[in-house]
Formats: sequence, structure tokens, C-alpha cells
Amino acid sequence: DAMVIQNPRYQVTQFGKPVTLSCSQTLNHNVMYWYQQKSSQAPKLLFHYYDKDFNNEADTPDNFQSRRPNTSFCFLDIRSPGLGDAAMYLCATSRAGGTWGHLETQYFGPGTRLLVL
Amino acid sequence: GQQLNQSPQSMFIQEGEDVSMNCTSSSIFNTWLWYKQDPGEGPVLLIALYKAGELTSNGRLTAQFGITRKDSFLNISASIPSDVGIYFCAGSNSGYSTLTFGKGTMLLVSP
Repeated sequence: DAMVIQNPRYQVTQFGKPVTLSCSQTLNHNVMYWYQQKSSQAPKLLFHYYDKDFNNEADTPDNFQSRRPNTSFCFLDIRSPGLGDAAMYLCATSRAGGTWGHLETQYFGPGTRLLVL
Repeated sequence: GQQLNQSPQSMFIQEGEDVSMNCTSSSIFNTWLWYKQDPGEGPVLLIALYKAGELTSNGRLTAQFGITRKDSFLNISASIPSDVGIYFCAGSNSGYSTLTFGKGTMLLVSP
């Protein structure tokens, strides 16, 4: 009964070669998030979708893009990965618009570790 | 922007000991969340707190939402080796919003 699924768990790409990371969820949550986490650091929010509305963090590089074709799926596209983009990428979901007090609880997937050669 | 100060940064304890860690903020949050992250995995939600003063338990874990709404603590009783990991606090404001994370507390438990 997996809730937030990320594939693949490990991804190796070459410097400058576009790569796409995938996330799917069975929770029917309307908000999906992408975080970047580097070693020994807290997750850093890149962007999120509230339903179909895309919300980019101010300091997220243009190199990072996202797509959400439907409620269940969300993709992270890195157009030209650099060595500094090697990190764990975490997808998370939450339900907004429901009972107050449960709007902010986010559930994370297992992450995709990206290696850039 | 909002910042969370999480302490301690790391702890090394003996199995069976109790553990306490906390987060403080310069601004008010309406929700506090505590996550645990194992190496190579995503954070797993441990406890969610929604009301000032709320005290919530989950097995050997207990967390409290400070009455000032600017702090929260997490206690782990009778620690076991599988408690090893990084514990993150996270805060959020009312309504739909994003989370602010603490920098994490790394817990090591010696058998």
C-alpha cells in the first residue's frame, strides 16, 4: 500500500544530459511538491503544484522544470544537469482545502538519488 | 524569512536512554510536524501537532506544541538501535502553505 512512489530510486545521468524524475501518489492529494536534499541538509523546496497551479520558489534555478499531467503524477525535469545538481530529490503530497489543521501535513516519497557524471 | 532553530545538532546515546530534542522559531506557526529520515530514504511523518499546548504521543514518541506557538519538542523514551536517523521538525502557518524545516538532529544509539 505505497502512498507516494518515486521512480527510479537511483538515477545516473551525464553532465548536461536532460533527465526526468517521476512521482506518483495514491492518496488523491491535490498538492504535490518537489524538494532537493543535499547531504546533511534539510529538504529544500523547489516548487509545488496546487491542483494545476504551478508555484515556483524564488531561488529555484531555471534549469529545473516540472509537469503535472494529472492528479496522480508529477515530474521533475532537469534540463542540463550540472555536478552541483547531484542530490536526493524528494516528492511530497498534501491535501489542501479540507478540515483545518490537516492542510499542511506532507507525506514524502522514498526519494530519487541523482548522480551526475 | 522564517527560520527554525533545531537542537541539538546530533546526539550519541546508549540504548535505553531517553532523548529530547526541540525546535524554536522567531515567528508563530500553526502546525508543527516531526519527521524521521533514515539514510537513503524520504522523511517519514512521526507526529503532527495542530493546536498550541497540544501533547501527542506515538508509541515511545511524545511531542508538544508550545503554548507560544514558537516552539515544539520531541521526546523519545527508552531508545532502541532502530531509532537511529535524522529527525526534522517542520512548521507551517494556517491555510495552505509550505513547510519550514529545521536543520535536523542526528541521533545515534549504541547497543
